[in-house]
Amino acid sequence: QITLKESGPTLVKPTQTLTLTCTFSGFSLSTSDVGVAWIRQPPGKALEWLAFIYWDDYKSYTPSLKNRLTITRATSKNQVVLRMTNMDPVDTATYYCAHRMDTPMANDAFDFWGPGTTVIVSS
Amino acid sequence: DIQMTQSPSTLSASVGDRVTITCRASQSVSRRLAWYQQKPGKAPKVLIYKASSLESGVPSRFSGSGSGTEFTLTITSLQPDDFATYYCQQYSSYPWTFGQGTKVEIK
Repeated sequence: QITLKESGPTLVKPTQTLTLTCTFSGFSLSTSDVGVAWIRQPPGKALEWLAFIYWDDYKSYTPSLKNRLTITRATSKNQVVLRMTNMDPVDTATYYCAHRMDTPMANDAFDFWGPGTTVIVSS
Repeated sequence: DIQMTQSPSTLSASVGDRVTITCRASQSVSRRLAWYQQKPGKAPKVLIYKASSLESGVPSRFSGSGSGTEFTLTITSLQPDDFATYYCQQYSSYPWTFGQGTKVEIK
């Protein structure tokens, strides 16, 4: 079955760079139409989509954070990495990774999610 | 960006009630709309995709409808396990966007 799990630092200082890793199993990022997204949720607030990477290495970012985000994949390791530069206290949130398959025949939303990892930005 | 607006923001209901949550998009998203349920401290769980398709394993009391810019999530008979926050999300065009959420509380 498909599982995902986020990992990374819990506490980062303002201006530092955050690196988060999503380690997954049960699918391959080499499979056509498969992708992994990063989504975050500040405490008590709504979900916000951040970035997405497809099986063919196509990438997309939310425009408001595009200059600070980089998403990459390590296909052989079944990992997707999100890098966010110049962290600020407003970036304090739970960060999730999620699986998506762009298919007309089945679920094409975020159908599997990791449990999330909490990131606090504070000096 | 496509803005997703949910109403109401909070809903107080009793077990057994029929509940309807509305999601409006600022421009057409066709039927590329999903609904998620989230409980405190947990990751969201997909309930509905393609506006009206029920995810496998989700109880049939959940249903989705709509297309274009107006969508609804209906719970026909609210159960104790359904008290949670619900989000709609469009995946028609980048950036993908979520609604602000609807919290379903016990009346």
